[in-house]
Amino acid sequence: QSVLTQPPSVSAAPGQKVTISCSGSSSNIGNNYVSWYQQLPGTAPKLLIYDNDKRPSGIPDRFSGSKSGTSATLGITGLQTGDEADYYCGTWDNSLSAVVFGGGTKLTVL
Amino acid sequence: QVQLQESGPGLLKASETLSLTCTVSGGSLSPNYWSWIRQPPGKGLEWIGYVYYGGSTKYSPSLKSRVTMSVDTSKNQFSLRLNSVTAADTAVYYCAHLELGMDYFDSWGQGTLVTVSS
Repeated sequence: QSVLTQPPSVSAAPGQKVTISCSGSSSNIGNNYVSWYQQLPGTAPKLLIYDNDKRPSGIPDRFSGSKSGTSATLGITGLQTGDEADYYCGTWDNSLSAVVFGGGTKLTVL
Repeated sequence: QVQLQESGPGLLKASETLSLTCTVSGGSLSPNYWSWIRQPPGKGLEWIGYVYYGGSTKYSPSLKSRVTMSVDTSKNQFSLRLNSVTAADTAVYYCAHLELGMDYFDSWGQGTLVTVSS
């Protein structure tokens, strides 16, 4: 059971928009920065979003992040088949004194 | 961004000690934090801990009793040791650069699969 809760799967058609939620508590998301990672099949995770809503260089602006209270959201617009991957949220947990991740969300682009 | 590469045995027997090394290239270990993360087959990510270039460490509470991390600045490497492994420790192990404070991982190794046989 992960500390952060994500939907196991989401799907949408090419060109459409999808959002992935990440729910936590005041000991983690509520008081810390959230990051998001994309893991393409058979590869290492890749940083997509950091500090709740910032994109590293090279990450297209189709990817966006937001945070409100104890939840965070990853948005992806203009979906492409190449976006099919597992997506993870992560943050620090003050009670556990540890980095925690969500269980991951599998994105299918139909 | 730096490049990271994990190395170490891919097959262990239960009760043995897992030892992995991460070699950092294109940058220095200092003054940075370095982390290990693992992913059991078909499952999600689990943070193992971090080591600072100066040697201080912090470990996941669930693994703390079995984990040791260290750095070798002369070789630009950092290492993970996990004692008394069981089949539950079978996973892909990743090393990564941790931006502490903002708590995100911006560079990752390709990962190495460690299988524990009973």
